[in-house]
Amino acid sequence: SQQGEEDPQALSIQEGENATMNCSYKTSINNLQWYRQNSGRGLVHLILIRSNEREKHSGRLRVTLDTSKKSSSLLITASRAADTASYFCAPDNTNAGKSTFGDGTTLTVKP
Amino acid sequence: GAVVSQHPSRVICKSGTSVKIECRSLDFQATTMFWYRQFPKQSLMLMATSNEGSKATYEQGVEKDKFLINHASLTLSTLTVTSAHPEDSSFYICSASAGSGYTFGSGTRLTVV
Repeated sequence: SQQGEEDPQALSIQEGENATMNCSYKTSINNLQWYRQNSGRGLVHLILIRSNEREKHSGRLRVTLDTSKKSSSLLITASRAADTASYFCAPDNTNAGKSTFGDGTTLTVKP
Repeated sequence: GAVVSQHPSRVICKSGTSVKIECRSLDFQATTMFWYRQFPKQSLMLMATSNEGSKATYEQGVEKDKFLINHASLTLSTLTVTSAHPEDSSFYICSASAGSGYTFGSGTRLTVV
C-alpha cells in the first residue's frame, strides 16, 4: 500500500465558498478513497473513485481522478462550518494493511 | 516508523462463540485507537473509537454489547466480537496515530462458520 500526499496542508475559507484539496500518489492504483476526520475522531469514509473513473459526485462532494498525473482532487461546494475537519486521501487502500495516511488537509470553514 | 501490530491475522470460529482481536502500538503510546470493519469490495467503515482508560465511542449502528472494546493501556486495545454470527464475518482493522498521520494494523480476517 502507498501513502497519498494531500495539498494544501491547511485551508481556511468562509462558509458558502468552495474548498478544493488535492492528493498525489506515486504508483498505479485500482482506486482512491477520500476520508474525513473530525477532531479527535476516527476516519470517516467519504467517497471512492476507481481508476477507470474520472469524476464522481456525492452530495456536495466532487472528486476527480487523473491517473496520468497520479493525482486526485476533492471539491466541497457551498461549504458549511460543519465541514471543518481534516481530509485524507488513500490510494488503493482497500486492504489497509500497514498503509499510513499523510498529514491530510486541515479545512477550516468560518461561519 | 510507527508500527501497529494486530493479532490474530486470521481466525475462524463457530457461530455463537466470541473472538478477541488485539491491537498494539509497538513503539509509541496511543491514547486513542480506532476500529474499522471492511466487507468484501467495500471501504473501511469506522466502528468505534477506543479511548485509554474510558469507554469507547461507537458509531451509529454499531452494537456496543456485541463489539466489546477495552483499551486498558496506552499500547493495547482489544475488540471482542461476542456471540459471533456468519454476518460478522469481515476484515477488522485498527489504527492509531503516532502524531503525524495514522498507522493501520495489518487487519484480522474473521470467518464465522
